[in-house]
Amino acid sequence: EPEVTQTPSHQVTQMGQEVILRCVPISNHLYFYWYRQILGQKVEFLVSFYNNEISEKSEIFDDQFSVERPDGSNFTLKIRSTKLEDSAMYFCAVGQGSFHTFGSGTRLTVV
Amino acid sequence: DQQVKQNSPSLSVQEGRISILNCDYTNSMFDYFLWYKKYPAEGPTFLISISSIKDKNEDGRFTVFLNKSAKHLSLHIVPSQPGDSAVYFCAASAGGTSYGKLTFGQGTILTVHP
Repeated sequence: EPEVTQTPSHQVTQMGQEVILRCVPISNHLYFYWYRQILGQKVEFLVSFYNNEISEKSEIFDDQFSVERPDGSNFTLKIRSTKLEDSAMYFCAVGQGSFHTFGSGTRLTVV
Repeated sequence: DQQVKQNSPSLSVQEGRISILNCDYTNSMFDYFLWYKKYPAEGPTFLISISSIKDKNEDGRFTVFLNKSAKHLSLHIVPSQPGDSAVYFCAASAGGTSYGKLTFGQGTILTVHP
């Protein structure tokens, strides 16, 4: 069983719609991260989350993005109003320090 | 933002030979370096890492070398196997407030031919 499970594996959404990407770590972790990879480009850091609050975020993570850990197990990434350029693979990761374990990702396609 | 660069988009190697993947960085604050392997439709999988206080770390067929003065690291795979065919990402981390945040290179596609 994977240590980090992401759902859905693929999400297609209309431009302007809200999407919620979900991540469920198997074991207890303190640090949570979201990264994304636009097709053909590098994996980019979006946000880190520790002790139920954002510890760091990148320039990509603007007001359209939010993260939360609503029930102590799920970790979600919400995009309020999707744009075409949000189409990418989104990876959740858990970690201790620099060592990250990644989920298999959610492919978001904005049409 | 090109703080971590992998200048070779692809590498093709014969089975049994050595694969050498290279990575350069510019940020002097980076103190921990990792290599991840990625298959299509999967997330990156941790392979091997090295702290900036070391210049070499070995794990089975995989060895990572760090040259701090040149801001360069490399991953050696010996002997290469067809199952090693994947995309390899170099990543770096700085301490302090960026604790844990990884900065990735563009990746190198490794193909190992039988």
